[in-house]
Amino acid sequence: TQLLKQSPQFLSIQEGENLTVYCNSSSVFSSLQWYRQEPGEGPVLLVTVVTGGEVKKLKRLTFQFGDARKDSSLHITAAQPGDTGLYLCAGLRRSNDYKLSFGAGTTVTVRA
Amino acid sequence: GAGVSQSPRYKVTKRGQDVTLRCDPISSHATLYWYQQALGQGPEFLTYFNYEAQPDKSGLPSDRFSAERPEGSISTLTIQRTEQRDSAMYRCASSHSPTGELFFGEGSRLTVL
Repeated sequence: TQLLKQSPQFLSIQEGENLTVYCNSSSVFSSLQWYRQEPGEGPVLLVTVVTGGEVKKLKRLTFQFGDARKDSSLHITAAQPGDTGLYLCAGLRRSNDYKLSFGAGTTVTVRA
Repeated sequence: GAGVSQSPRYKVTKRGQDVTLRCDPISSHATLYWYQQALGQGPEFLTYFNYEAQPDKSGLPSDRFSAERPEGSISTLTIQRTEQRDSAMYRCASSHSPTGELFFGEGSRLTVL
């Protein structure tokens, strides 16, 4: 059973459109990370969020951690083909629990 | 080293054979993880090490799977009596601290015939 549920599983959009990826759980997380993985490569960290309600911006990417620290979202504005990839959320349930669990991922395809 | 290095990159073996995969983490990193990843899916946790200690191995699918990190640096993942269902990408990642960013290796793709 996946601890972190990501939705949608697949997303295909046109260049210039906006998109949002969701990461939800019934568990509380001490921190949550977002990674992007390109074909043939390992995941690469985009951001870490640790405070409930926290919003972080990374150029066109906006990350939000829910107030209750059970969910998170990733919003991309004006998507570009270079944003194509598998987006993964990963969470630590407690500050002394170092088992980082990943969601199943959202495959994003941005068409030129 | 400059990054996380895994070997072999590809391994094809026959059912019933034993396989050992190796991970050489970033040299300053205390924490090392092993994950199994299916194509297009998120990594599934297998086990992790903090230096040479192995606090959690709850993700290992069966007792045929074992991992070691005897000197707190290089780690190996061994699968005994391989089965076809063991075919997957095995990824190693290391981190400076247990709550920090994970740096992933390029993975070892195992195919069991």
